[in-house]
This record gives sequence, C-alpha cells and structure tokens, in this order.
Amino acid sequence: AQKVTQAQTEISVVEKEDVTLDCVYETRDTTYYLFWYKQPPSGELVFLIRRNSFDEQNEISGRYSWNFQKSTSSFNFTITASQVVDSAVYFCALILMNTGFQKLVFGTGTRLLVSP
Amino acid sequence: DVKVTQSSRYLVKRTGEKVFLECVQDMDHENMFWYRQDPGLGLRLIYFSYDVKMKEKGDIPEGYSVSREKKERFSLILESASTNQTSMYLCADRDRFTGELFFGEGSRLTVL
Repeated sequence: AQKVTQAQTEISVVEKEDVTLDCVYETRDTTYYLFWYKQPPSGELVFLIRRNSFDEQNEISGRYSWNFQKSTSSFNFTITASQVVDSAVYFCALILMNTGFQKLVFGTGTRLLVSP
Repeated sequence: DVKVTQSSRYLVKRTGEKVFLECVQDMDHENMFWYRQDPGLGLRLIYFSYDVKMKEKGDIPEGYSVSREKKERFSLILESASTNQTSMYLCADRDRFTGELFFGEGSRLTVL
C-alpha cells in the first residue's frame, strides 16, 4: 500500500526565517510522481511541483526548493526567507504511474504560520 | 488556465436532507474526483470517475453517491445528510499525461 507521511502538523516561524516541510512516502513501485500542493486560506489547492521517481535532481524556484532523496523516501520542501503570504496548509502527495487508475495519495498536511 | 468550478462555497443543510454538490471542469479531462478534507485527516477520496457514466468508489464512499452524465460535470450526492458529513468537499480533475490534479475552491458543508 502507498502512504505519505507529513509528521509536522503545524509550524510557526517569523518572517524571513527559512523553514523546511518534511514529506516521507512509502511505495514498492518504482514508477511514481510526487507532488506538493499549497492550500491558502481561500481553500483552493494550488499545484507547486511534480517530480518523477527517475529524477532525483533538486529543484529551486525562487524562494522555494525541493530535496528529493529516494534513499530515504523523502521529498522535503524548503521555503527560504519566508513571508506572511506563505501561510497556508501544504500537502505532499504520491501517484503511481503503472497502475490502471492512477490514484493520488495525500499526506495529512502541514500548516505553516508565518508571522510578521 | 484549467478551471474547476464548484457550485457552492458554503452550504448549511439539515439532517436527512438530500444534498447535491456540483463540479464543472473546462479542460475536457476524463478523470474527475471528489475528496473530503477534515482536520488531521488530510484529503480522503470519496469517489472518482474516469469517463462519462463511469465511477469507482474511493476510500470513504459510504453515505455518498455520484453522477457523471456529461464529461464536464461530476456531481456528489448525499442521499440523507448526517452531521458526520459536515466537512470541506473538494472536486478535482486530472491531466492524464502529467498526473497533476486541478482543484476547485471547495464547498464547505455544515449539516445541522
């Protein structure tokens, strides 16, 4: 069975601090995608990144960076110099690509609170 | 831009009422989903549909049904609402080439 674990329920930081959100996944499949989504207070989940299982290169997009390590089954997300607008719930998710129907499995989310 | 639209942002219903939650997408995607989001439980899949008139149960289908008569529309139905169905309901569709899900803004249902 597939599982995604986000052990941090809530994180509070002060603006300009760096923060890392952890994501650990479980699957026996070798072909999968990992995602991060952001859910701001408005409610709509916003896609941040997709990473396939064959690409372990880290990625940086502005203040956001992602560290994918298959050896530890982790896909961690770091926000550098956090801002108040980063306050949201962040979800990590896993999808298997070699199944008949590609069900997306979500973690329970991490709530990030960035105070001024 | 992909657009997924949910008909109601906020609903208040009484126990036993029939509830319809509507979802419309404009990208001609085959796959559509209904999730329920509760604090501490993340997103849980209720039902999904991989094409018109096709539906499959997700992880928590009890108390729910769905309808997919047209490709762009996927409806979630609560035949007899109960208080434990008070929740945020999220509709999504999926790009089958990238696996990415596109979500609507959610419908927050309160059952009294």
